[in-house]
Amino acid sequence: DADVTQTPRNRITKTGKRIMLECSQTKGHDRMYWYRQDPGLGLRLIYYSFDVKDINKGEISDGYSVSRQAQAKFSLSLESAIPNQTALYFCATQSGGADYGYTFGSGTRLTVV
Amino acid sequence: SQKIEQNSEALNIQEGKTATLTCNYTNYSPAYLQWYRQDPGRGPVFLLLIRENEKEKRKERLKVTFDTTLKQSLFHITASQPADSATYLCALGDDKIIFGKGTRLHILP
Repeated sequence: DADVTQTPRNRITKTGKRIMLECSQTKGHDRMYWYRQDPGLGLRLIYYSFDVKDINKGEISDGYSVSRQAQAKFSLSLESAIPNQTALYFCATQSGGADYGYTFGSGTRLTVV
Repeated sequence: SQKIEQNSEALNIQEGKTATLTCNYTNYSPAYLQWYRQDPGRGPVFLLLIRENEKEKRKERLKVTFDTTLKQSLFHITASQPADSATYLCALGDDKIIFGKGTRLHILP
């Protein structure tokens, strides 16, 4: 099994629908992150969490919310999806030290029509 | 604002040669700099981390340098192979990192 698992892998949804992307990890890491990737714009941070009781906004949090249900689970919600939220979404984890690399999931390709 | 610049043009290198990728940054004094590899449709994979007090770091055929005066990191792949073809991302930060847009590397057989 993958260390960081994202579901679903692909999703097509309609404008205005609520959708949840899920992320679970077996690394035992405290820190979890959600990024989106768009062609030409690179990876941009949406939200991050350093433990179950800690949630922080990233640079592009508008239109998104998150829930840290447990150390191993961090979900991202789009309350009312819009077409410009079409992107590749990645979840990542990191051990407590800032001097360790991130472990990324395989991504969720979301299309909003 | 903090900015990371990587060459947006693809880099074509002949197999067996050394590939060198550049990462420049502004308005930032990071304690760490990281390099990742990303294949199409896949998540980035961590390669190397270098600290501000380290000038150079090596891992197998990979070498990273970090010049905090020039605000630049160089990433080298020696004896390059077609399997090294991918996009390489530079990343900076402490508690949360920001990524450059990446440079696509093509190793030509």
